[in-house]
Amino acid sequence: EPEVTQTPSHQVTQMGQEVILRCVPISNHLYFYWYRQILGQKVEFLVSFYNNEISEKSEIFDDQFSVERPDGSNFTLKIRSTKLEDSAMYFCASRTLSNTDTQYFGPGTRLTVL
Amino acid sequence: AQTVTQSQPEMSVQEAETVTLSCTYDTSESDYYLFWYKQPPSRQMILVIRQEAYKQQNATENRFSVNFQKAAKSFSLKISDSQLGDAAMYFCAYRSAMDSNYQLIWGAGTKLIIKP
Repeated sequence: EPEVTQTPSHQVTQMGQEVILRCVPISNHLYFYWYRQILGQKVEFLVSFYNNEISEKSEIFDDQFSVERPDGSNFTLKIRSTKLEDSAMYFCASRTLSNTDTQYFGPGTRLTVL
Repeated sequence: AQTVTQSQPEMSVQEAETVTLSCTYDTSESDYYLFWYKQPPSRQMILVIRQEAYKQQNATENRFSVNFQKAAKSFSLKISDSQLGDAAMYFCAYRSAMDSNYQLIWGAGTKLIIKP
């Protein structure tokens, strides 16, 4: 069964460094999402992406964040200058265009900012 | 704005027994979707079950079923014949049918412990 994949599974970085989290959505999916979950807290929506542009973003998704679909398979989340509070699990999800379709999640990337 | 509330931070159940996890939500909309996701220690988010608000019939998936009470805005998950592999965090989530981006709004989660 096709699934969403994410790399790396765990990323450790120094505060102020740039990180890129990678996701490979399910191949026939057209909508992509990033969520994050700070340890012990709710899952929070960051951004949705469709047709090579951001379709919606939350207040969390400030100028430090960007997303890109550099080729036909990858979907990336870049954090330009990481802060301690960026430490979290980051989940990628994807879905088709169907009105009733469900989002399918990847296994997540654990980001630790030191 | 819509909110999702899971009032049970932690639940425990004996293996093979039945457990019910609670979820309530607040919305002024009439058309939406509700989900239960499971997050095992591996941290992956796995879809357990989905309910369309316009359907009166409760969704079921093998040992998992929901009790959807639209008027009460309640969406509980029942797990029958609990197994050790069911141990995980369970998240209730809401999605508006009006939101073209299908953003999910999440509850805080319930940690389910299975006692052998």
